[in-house]
Amino acid sequence: GAGVSQTPSNKVTEKGKYVELRCDPISGHTALYWYRQSLGQGPEFLIYFQGTGAADDSGLPNDRFFAVRPEGSVSTLKIQRTERGDSAVYLCASSSGADTQYFGPGTRLTVL
Amino acid sequence: RKEVEQDPGPFNVPEGATVAFNCTYSNSASQSFFWYRQDCRKEPKLLMSVYSSGNEDGRFTAQLNRASQYISLLIRDSKLSDSATYLCVVGGSGGYNKLIFGAGTRLAVHP
Repeated sequence: GAGVSQTPSNKVTEKGKYVELRCDPISGHTALYWYRQSLGQGPEFLIYFQGTGAADDSGLPNDRFFAVRPEGSVSTLKIQRTERGDSAVYLCASSSGADTQYFGPGTRLTVL
Repeated sequence: RKEVEQDPGPFNVPEGATVAFNCTYSNSASQSFFWYRQDCRKEPKLLMSVYSSGNEDGRFTAQLNRASQYISLLIRDSKLSDSATYLCVVGGSGGYNKLIFGAGTRLAVHP
């Protein structure tokens, strides 16, 4: 079946702009995670959704970052007033409960 | 101190070699342990889970020592296709898997 998909695959924006990154999880997966991976580092946890609710948002770096999952499927990560330090690959993963997480291909965000 | 620490490498080995990667983690309450593989500019993919009893999957063997908070991965008979970054990953204890990743160890297998 289809895996996790993320759009766009690449996003270039200017400092101060607003961006939205989208994640389509595997059908039927109730758990959805966002991670951020900077060059030379492993992915870093941002937020976890169980269904529609954000069960753990402890990894969001500051209040410029926000994520939603209104219908318990697709999720959108929103970044306001982007900064150059936000440049990274944003990875989404989904799982069935606490089972194996399957990652999407990521969105490479570049803030100029 | 990072929660999960790995030697970044790179490990440059010839085909057929045996190579071992090690990892330490700081949170003694961690409940689950994994090795993920990540190819250049691709997403991480689960290679194998790691259990206290040790587990093997073909040429790959993983070990966990909870007392020392130490995880290892052994690759036997290396193939060119094993070239990748290997991520040591620790899962949380909150009933869901908030994964904590190491920075990864790069492996390059050459002919």
